Amino acid sequence: QKEVEQNSGPLSVPEGAIASLNCTYSDRGSQSFFWYRQYSGKSPELIMFIYSNGDKEDGRFTAQLNKASQYVSLLIRDSQPSDSATYLCAVGRGGADGLTFGKGTHLIIQP
Amino acid sequence: DTEVTQTPKHLVMGMTNKKSLKCEQHMGHRAMYWYKQKAKKPPELMFVYSYEKLSINESVPSRFSPECPNSSLLNLHLHALQPEDSALYLCASSHGVAGFRTDTQYFGPGTRLTVL
Repeated sequence: QKEVEQNSGPLSVPEGAIASLNCTYSDRGSQSFFWYRQYSGKSPELIMFIYSNGDKEDGRFTAQLNKASQYVSLLIRDSQPSDSATYLCAVGRGGADGLTFGKGTHLIIQP
Repeated sequence: DTEVTQTPKHLVMGMTNKKSLKCEQHMGHRAMYWYKQKAKKPPELMFVYSYEKLSINESVPSRFSPECPNSSLLNLHLHALQPEDSALYLCASSHGVAGFRTDTQYFGPGTRLTVL
């Protein structure tokens, strides 16, 4: 059974600091890894995707993947109050396959 | 443009009603998905269509009936639903090429369904 684990939080981070979100997954056949941001009552919005081991940076966001440890993380630098949301880690096998989501981490950026 | 549209935004229906949810994308994607999301839970996969054919059904009750009339449209027909089916129904699409790792799914805004 495919499982994706995240700490549900809430994770409280001061404005301007680095927020670190973590995720582990069970399916070793997983090929694609995503971070979605979801505001209350809204649909998931893609933040980052990563497919290869290592780091991938996009603006204030850095995704990290370690397939040997089955671990994915998201770093948010210079956190802003608008970053306050639930962050969903999602894992897939690539192609037209459904994603398995973690339960999400509720992030609160304190002004 | 990574837009997926869904209608209606909100839907209230009785347990004896028949209604349909609609989803549309014009990105040339060949895979489309239905997910269900209950309050404070993650999205759960219901159905996957690949090249207009149903490829995955996650053991969804028959009161939910998906349909893919063409590569841009995806419907979810609802009949005899239960109050516990109340949720946010999300549509997503992706390129859908088999074995293609960079198959990012883009979500529509969702339909908030309430079953009375």
